[in-house]
Amino acid sequence: KNQVEQSPQSLIILEGKNCTLQCNYTVSPFSNLRWYKQDTGRGPVSLTIMTFSENTKSNGRYTATLDADTKQSSLHITASQLSDSASYICVVRSLFGNEKLTFGTGTRLTIIP
Amino acid sequence: DGGITQSPKYLFRKEGQNVTLSCEQNLNHDAMYWYRQDPGQGLRLIYYSQIVNDFQKGDIAEGYSVSREKKESFPLTVTSAQKNPTAFYLCASRDRGLGNSPLHFGNGTRLTVT
Repeated sequence: KNQVEQSPQSLIILEGKNCTLQCNYTVSPFSNLRWYKQDTGRGPVSLTIMTFSENTKSNGRYTATLDADTKQSSLHITASQLSDSASYICVVRSLFGNEKLTFGTGTRLTIIP
Repeated sequence: DGGITQSPKYLFRKEGQNVTLSCEQNLNHDAMYWYRQDPGQGLRLIYYSQIVNDFQKGDIAEGYSVSREKKESFPLTVTSAQKNPTAFYLCASRDRGLGNSPLHFGNGTRLTVT
């Protein structure tokens, strides 16, 4: 069964600090992995996508990594800001069928001043 | 300003009543989706539509119905047959013409059934 597991479930850090969120998946065959940010009471917004051939990709203060061999991805946030407080959801797409997405349960990140 | 509009933001219904959630997009996307989000669970696909007048069941379609009469609109009806309808419902769309395109989500409707 295709699964996506995220850790930690929740995280609290001080403003200005860095943090790393983890995503492990068993989806096969793998097509791509996308990180979404979801503010409370809002819909998720795409941050970045990782395809099979990509190891690292940055989007501002967000850096995603992918290790397709170990089926792990991480999202690193640098110099956190209060606006980074949100849930971060890892979503993996299977190669078979564009509608086959498996969603993680998310990491709830809280930035405190 | 392109996007997806879901209405209403909050909806309260009595058990046994059907309720329809609205979803409208002006992104000119062919594909539209309905997901359900519950605490501690990943998003689960209810229904999706890849083209007007066609839609497919997702993983948890029982107790729900949809229609796709217009490209811009994909309403979801939560029927009285849905055993646990209280949840946060998210509508999304995607440009199928672009490989690996992301889902664009609305801001959700929180449905409470008592």
